Amino acid sequence: NAGVMQNPRHLVRRRGQEARLRCSPMKGHSHVYWYRQLPEEGLKFMVYLQKENIIDESGMPKERFSAEFPKEGPSILRIQQVVRGDSAAYFCASSPVGSGNTIYFGEGSWLTVV
Amino acid sequence: AQTVTQSQPEMSVQEAETVTLSCTYDTSESDYYLFWYKQPPSRQMILVIRQEAYKQQNATENRFSVNFQKAAKSFSLKISDSQLGDAAMYFCAYRVQGGSEKLVFGKGTKLTVNP
Repeated sequence: NAGVMQNPRHLVRRRGQEARLRCSPMKGHSHVYWYRQLPEEGLKFMVYLQKENIIDESGMPKERFSAEFPKEGPSILRIQQVVRGDSAAYFCASSPVGSGNTIYFGEGSWLTVV
Repeated sequence: AQTVTQSQPEMSVQEAETVTLSCTYDTSESDYYLFWYKQPPSRQMILVIRQEAYKQQNATENRFSVNFQKAAKSFSLKISDSQLGDAAMYFCAYRVQGGSEKLVFGKGTKLTVNP
């Protein structure tokens, strides 16, 4: 059973470009979470999605960031017009339907903005 | 708002010895879950142990155990017979039952294991 798959693992973007990070949850998992980890920090919640629905986006910056989890295909975290402060590790996690289930993390995508 | 505090930025332990990492949290909820995650140099987040708040018995997983004090809102991790592979960042996390079920993380403790 494959784990949570994220790609790309490493992404370099120039300031002003767009970054797209993809996440395929574990088989059978319908809940997806995105977290951001700045250098020397813990993970910060960004957004929680179920298929075709955003459940909680309270951790998402108001501008330039968006996320989706379509009926078919991976979840996408999109960052428009990237700035140096967006450089971070972005982790996707998934869990099965139902309260209290353990959340499993992918290996992360490292975004560097130059 | 829920917060998680790890008061030890760094800890070190001799190989084969025991070390305890501290974690406290703040919540007004009664039903929740607590976790310890390990992040080795590969940066992957690995679940170490999980505790349900309604369970009085402390969780154990092989060499890893917790001391869960619900009234004190304390959730420490004990690593016995420390191994070189235990060297990593350790993050304590809280998750409320129901709602968005997002994880709230502490800032982490860097554990060094000395041979």
